[in-house]
Amino acid sequence: GQNIDQPTEMTATEGAIVQINCTYQTSGFNGLFWYQQHAGEAPTFLSYNVLDGLEEKGRFSSFLSRSKGYSYLLLKELQMKDSASYLCAVKDSNYQLIWGAGTKLIIKP
Amino acid sequence: GAVVSQHPSWVICKSGTSVKIECRSLDFQATTMFWYRQFPKQSLMLMATSNEGSKATYEQGVEKDKFLINHASLTLSTLTVTSAHPEDSSFYICSAPLGDTEAFFGQGTRLTVV
Repeated sequence: GQNIDQPTEMTATEGAIVQINCTYQTSGFNGLFWYQQHAGEAPTFLSYNVLDGLEEKGRFSSFLSRSKGYSYLLLKELQMKDSASYLCAVKDSNYQLIWGAGTKLIIKP
Repeated sequence: GAVVSQHPSWVICKSGTSVKIECRSLDFQATTMFWYRQFPKQSLMLMATSNEGSKATYEQGVEKDKFLINHASLTLSTLTVTSAHPEDSSFYICSAPLGDTEAFFGQGTRLTVV
């Protein structure tokens, strides 16, 4: 079966750095996505990785290792507004998005 | 960036009635749109894939007669929850892919059936 694993919840301090991991087992791979979702709102796109390596976009970076079936989202200089759920999703061989359950990130002052 | 507009944002309806949710791509054409349902503290569950000009593809376990999907044009897809019951109360979200690298989500619809 297809599976996306990510931690259920993480806590970090304002101004710090946090890394949210995601491992996947899917039938085929056509890219990995990270989305941010605030409570009661729809997800918003953060990043897309299809090749191995690190993609940096401002305070957020995303890393992919296809051979390990592994990705992480790195958030730097954490702000209170970063408190949200972070969803990892993989596009499989049928170009269908397979979603992880999401990681709830709690930022403390 | 591309925008997907979904409405209503929230709706309360009586048990047994039907509710229609609209999803529009505002500045691009979407031959495909996805409809998701999300229960509290859970991830998105794909309900169906809406295809312009043809029948929607439903995921296993999703009743096609209960969740009617119509993709009448390249910019509009609708989801109608027929004979809604309290267990249908959920957050419904549509999304439209743009190329292979990105999908844009509507604002979501909070449905409460009383």
